[in-house]
Amino acid sequence: AQKVTQAQTEISVVEKEDVTLDCVYETRDTTYYLFWYKQPPSGELVFLIRRNSFDEQNEISGRYSWNFQKSTSSFNFTITASQVVDSAVYFCALSEAGANAGKSTFGDGTTLTVKP
Amino acid sequence: DTAVSQTPKYLVTQMGNDKSIKCEQNLGHDTMYWYKQDSKKFLKIMFSYNNKELIINETVPNRFSPKSPDKAHLNLHINSLELGDSAVYFCASSGGHRETQYFGPGTRLLVL
Repeated sequence: AQKVTQAQTEISVVEKEDVTLDCVYETRDTTYYLFWYKQPPSGELVFLIRRNSFDEQNEISGRYSWNFQKSTSSFNFTITASQVVDSAVYFCALSEAGANAGKSTFGDGTTLTVKP
Repeated sequence: DTAVSQTPKYLVTQMGNDKSIKCEQNLGHDTMYWYKQDSKKFLKIMFSYNNKELIINETVPNRFSPKSPDKAHLNLHINSLELGDSAVYFCASSGGHRETQYFGPGTRLLVL
């Protein structure tokens, strides 16, 4: 069975600090997809990134970067120079390609608070 | 221009009532989903449809019945509402099971 663990329930930082949100996953599939979503206080779920299991290349998008390491089954998300607008709940998710295709499993979320 | 839309946005109702939530996507996607987010923000998949066919049906009470009249719509009907049904229900769609899911704005259901 697939599982996603976001061990950090809440993180609080001061603006301009860097922060890393951890995500560890479990799956028996060799082909799978990992996602990060942001849920700001307004409540909508905003897609941030998708990564497939064959692509371990790290990705940077502005202040956001993602570190995918299959060896440790981790897909961590770093925000550089955090801003107040980054305050949100962040979800890591896993979707398998095999028998459970489409059955995305979400982590419990990490609530990030960025203080001015 | 809204990609995935849900109606209503808010729903307050009494225990025992029957209610429906509608979802529409204009992305041309084949796959649609319903998720439930509880008060602790835990997000759990309920159903998945692909080309109007039910693909995933998680352990959800049979008071919940999804209906997909066409690829662009996936509605959720709930019978005999209970207090524990209070949650935010999100609809999502994707180009296929391996693709990114795009979420609607959510429907906040409160059962009194």
